[in-house]
Amino acid sequence: DAMVIQNPRYQVTQFGKPVTLSCSQTLNHNVMYWYQQKSSQAPKLLFHYYDKDFNNEADTPDNFQSRRPNTSFCFLDIRSPGLGDAAMYLCATSRDRSGARYEQYFGPGTRLTVT
Amino acid sequence: TQLLEQSPQFLSIQEGENLTVYCNSSSVFSSLQWYRQEPGEGPVLLVTVVTGGEVKKLKRLTFQFGDARKDSSLHITAAQPGDTGLYLCAGRPGNQGGKLIFGQGTELSVKP
Repeated sequence: DAMVIQNPRYQVTQFGKPVTLSCSQTLNHNVMYWYQQKSSQAPKLLFHYYDKDFNNEADTPDNFQSRRPNTSFCFLDIRSPGLGDAAMYLCATSRDRSGARYEQYFGPGTRLTVT
Repeated sequence: TQLLEQSPQFLSIQEGENLTVYCNSSSVFSSLQWYRQEPGEGPVLLVTVVTGGEVKKLKRLTFQFGDARKDSSLHITAAQPGDTGLYLCAGRPGNQGGKLIFGQGTELSVKP
């Protein structure tokens, strides 16, 4: 089945130690998104790629970076995780950006713990 | 800034009861999506509504998009414990590319 896959599902890192979360998709969608979600809150968009074009949200801290080496994979790098970065990180994809019917499909998420 | 006000924020009901969740905005959306999220998992898309006044049914779930495309509702008939989860509405503004504007979410608990 076509899907969005996130690895690992659970990640524990130490305060200040760089960590990378990965996302892959078999949907062949043009757009990939990274969201941060804290307990029982709505997901907060960090940035997205439209093909190779990177689009950062204005309030995303510099501590968060992303790479998209090819259509299928996208990575979220947290350069120096703080305790406040502990959250669920969600990857999502959509076929395109424009057009009302281009829904976003989410992966299962990576739960990040910072010790 | 476009906002989606979702209510109620928390809902605890007994199995068999009916419920309605609302999403309201002062802004127009080109479409609106409803997601359900279980603990420790990503949101799962339930439905997308596009046309003003549109009604879609998914088994016991009924989704409606307001005539002016500024609001939406989710009605669950005869709720079951398996309906428990976080329900999120998300609207697509007409001029912000693929961005979604999320409501705050509704935590639904259905007790047997």
